[in-house]
Amino acid sequence: RKEVEQDPGPFNVPEGATVAFNCTYSNSASQSFFWYRQDCRKEPKLLMSVYSSGNEDGRFTAQLNRASQYISLLIRDSKLSDSATYLCVVPYSGGSNYKLTFGKGTLLTVNP
Amino acid sequence: DADVTQTPRNRITKTGKRIMLECSQTKGHDRMYWYRQDPGLGLRLIYYSFDVKDINKGEISDGYSVSRQAQAKFSLSLESAIPNQTALYFCATSDPYPSEPGLTSETQYFGPGTRLLVL
Repeated sequence: RKEVEQDPGPFNVPEGATVAFNCTYSNSASQSFFWYRQDCRKEPKLLMSVYSSGNEDGRFTAQLNRASQYISLLIRDSKLSDSATYLCVVPYSGGSNYKLTFGKGTLLTVNP
Repeated sequence: DADVTQTPRNRITKTGKRIMLECSQTKGHDRMYWYRQDPGLGLRLIYYSFDVKDINKGEISDGYSVSRQAQAKFSLSLESAIPNQTALYFCATSDPYPSEPGLTSETQYFGPGTRLLVL
């Protein structure tokens, strides 16, 4: 299994649709997980964090399944402004080592 | 004003040239990072620094060096640029915080990026 692997996408959905992205990770020691959003030609920005089973923020829900080592991001009632690339991020810190692994991203386009 | 700034924003250089990318932050964070982003490869860590006296290699440090001149400044140098170093480079800062009992987490704040083209 790759360190962090995301749905390859791209996802093209109509406005109002519900869309879900999955991300699998290989390091069972990882404790916290993140979804970042990156607009075209812009810097990534934190969208959501998830530490326990899940986290919800408005139309966005992130869930964690430690047993299967995957996290998901659910977007309900998609808006045109949700069009972006979504990056799954898995940090790992052990002893003197530190590593932050970004997935390659999933491109979402929300169409009118 | 932006909390994390990068200069230059765009740079074209020739193979063999030495160039420096600079990063400044006003967030007061101790931790700073340099990443590169390539199409299809995602973000990859080049170097990171947890304080002024700390420098650590990331997964792709070959061909790069860094300098942490102060808490607020972290620069990345390409000693002898080559075409496969053409990429989008991001600086980031972070500050650990307790997220849940017994668990420390952190949010990374990225600069706007530097687009580098090596001819």
